[in-house]
Order: sequence, then structure tokens, then C-alpha cells
Amino acid sequence: QSVLTQPPSASGTPGQRVTMSCSGSSANIGSDIVNWYQQRPGTAPKLLIYSNTQRPSGVPDRFSGSKSGTSASLAITGLQSEDEAEYFCEAWDDSLNGPVFGGGTRLTVL
Amino acid sequence: EVQLVESGGGLVQPGGSLRLSCTASGFMFSRYWLSWVRQAPGKGLEWVANIKEDGREKYYVDSLKGRFTISRDNAKNALYLQMNSLRVDDTAVYYCARDGVGLGGFVLDYWGQGSLVTVSS
Repeated sequence: QSVLTQPPSASGTPGQRVTMSCSGSSANIGSDIVNWYQQRPGTAPKLLIYSNTQRPSGVPDRFSGSKSGTSASLAITGLQSEDEAEYFCEAWDDSLNGPVFGGGTRLTVL
Repeated sequence: EVQLVESGGGLVQPGGSLRLSCTASGFMFSRYWLSWVRQAPGKGLEWVANIKEDGREKYYVDSLKGRFTISRDNAKNALYLQMNSLRVDDTAVYYCARDGVGLGGFVLDYWGQGSLVTVSS
């Protein structure tokens, strides 16, 4: 069982906007930054959003992140078939003294 | 271009040992913390350990302390994970990843392709 809680699945049609949540506690999301990683099938995770809202170079602005209190969200607008992947949130946990991940949300583009 | 390439995975019997390697290129290796993260088949990500730029500080997930050892050789741009007393539930793809600098906190900004470790009799 993961320290951060994510819904196991999400779906949308091309062009739609989808959001996915990540819930934690005051020991992790509530006190530190949240990062999001995208993992396409059969490949390694890739940094998608860091420091709650920042996009690394090369990540389309269709992807955005937000954080409020002990929860964070990832939003994808203008959904594309290539966005079909698993998305993991991650934050440092002060009580465990290490980073923790959510269980991942598998996004299906219908 | 930043590249991280893992090697050393394979099939090992329960109780056995294995050493993973990660060779880096495309960045100043000695200026970055590095991590190992694993992913059991069909499961999520689990951070395993990380190591400071000079190798003098090392941190591990509590559940693996004493069995796994992270190390590095900055002269060879190499990161290692020595895994002892392996168990069936250590079966996973093991990724090495770079801890980014100046990104606001702990961020794994580049990942290798992963190395599969299978523990089975």
C-alpha cells in the first residue's frame, strides 16, 4: 500500500481535459514539493512536473500541476493518444526520511 | 545528452547476491546525488536508496537497510547497488536515477532504462 493515494485509473477521449489526484499527509505533500512522473508502457518513468507546477524543458504545456494542502493534482488538456500511460506522484516524507510515491493512475485514451 | 544505463540484472536464487551497475554520461557525474528506484512487476515505484555526490552520505528505505548497499565510483561515472540475501519479493526492475539540482527539492530528473532482477528458485 502506497503512502500517497492515487485513483488506479482514469480515462478520456481525444481533446478532452482530464485530471488526476494525489492525496497525502502533512508529513509529505503538506510540507514538501510534489513531482509527477509519466511512464508509458514498457518504458522508464520520465519527469513530467516538478516542484508542484513546473514543467521540464520539452514537456508540453498541456500538462499542468497544482497543490493545495495535503493534496496535489495533475491536469492534461487536449488529450492525445500518446498520453496513454501511468502517472505517478511523488513527495519527500519527513517522517520516513525518504521520497514516497503514489500507486499510480493508469490513463486510458478512449 | 544525459544518459544512465543499468546493467547486471538477471535471475538469482533466494538468498543469493547480485550487483547492479549504472553508467552515466552527458553530465558532471560527481556533482549529483543519485538514487535507485525499483518497480515490482505490475506494481508502483519504490525508492530504494540514494548517495551523495562524494559518496559519504547514503540513505536507504527502512525495509532494505542491512541487505542493500549503494556506492559510486566518480572516476568511472558509475553507480552501484549491491544486493544480498535476496528474496522473492525483491523481484523488480531496478532503475538508477539522477537527483536533480536546483529544482526546489528532491526531484528525479533523469532515469535509466532499468535492469530486471528476478529472484526465483
